[in-house]
Amino acid sequence: GEDVEQSLFLSVREGDSSVINCTYTDSSSTYLYWYKQEPGAGLQLLTYIFSNMDMKQDQRLTVLLNKKDKHLSLRIADTQTGDSAIYFCAENTGNTDKLIFGTGTRLQVFP
Amino acid sequence: DVKVTQSSRYLVKRTGEKVFLECVQDMDHENMFWYRQDPGLGLRLIYFSYDVKMKEKGDIPEGYSVSREKKERFSLILESASTNQTSMYLCASMMGQGIYGYTFGSGTRLTVV
Repeated sequence: GEDVEQSLFLSVREGDSSVINCTYTDSSSTYLYWYKQEPGAGLQLLTYIFSNMDMKQDQRLTVLLNKKDKHLSLRIADTQTGDSAIYFCAENTGNTDKLIFGTGTRLQVFP
Repeated sequence: DVKVTQSSRYLVKRTGEKVFLECVQDMDHENMFWYRQDPGLGLRLIYFSYDVKMKEKGDIPEGYSVSREKKERFSLILESASTNQTSMYLCASMMGQGIYGYTFGSGTRLTVV
């Protein structure tokens, strides 16, 4: 199908790790992305991964890609209250220049 | 840094009004997009454009039109605003190959009363 799937909510304690999961649709997707949206704002690109990679690390962020299962995850280490936001995964199927977005996961960080 | 600027953060319009939402990008991107975002529905593509004077329908074009007379500007038009068009509207732009994904504007929250 055409849907990129994410769970809607995740709640974690400050200082713990957060893992946000995404199942995408097209095994030929060339780039996969994670965006963050803070309240009342637009989406901000956090990181992206090329499809020939299986992991990418950038400071507190780790992206894991399982192409066989079409599964993408974003791990945030030492989660802070400022990480509270909606996180969207997106794929670029390469057929067009459009991105296909998941429905977003709302991350809530509590003290 | 690439900037995508949406002209208004908040708008309140009356039912039946013609509404213009403006979006300008400053990095010579070929591709521009309009989405609306509603709770529980994620981002839905309204229209997009690959070049000046070119436009393509997205998933929910009904009730909307677009204009791209200059490369840097992509306008979304609500011909006759209705209450079900109350939403957050997001504009985005992208270079042709899309390696770096979209750059988004900060959004326009439109309320139709």
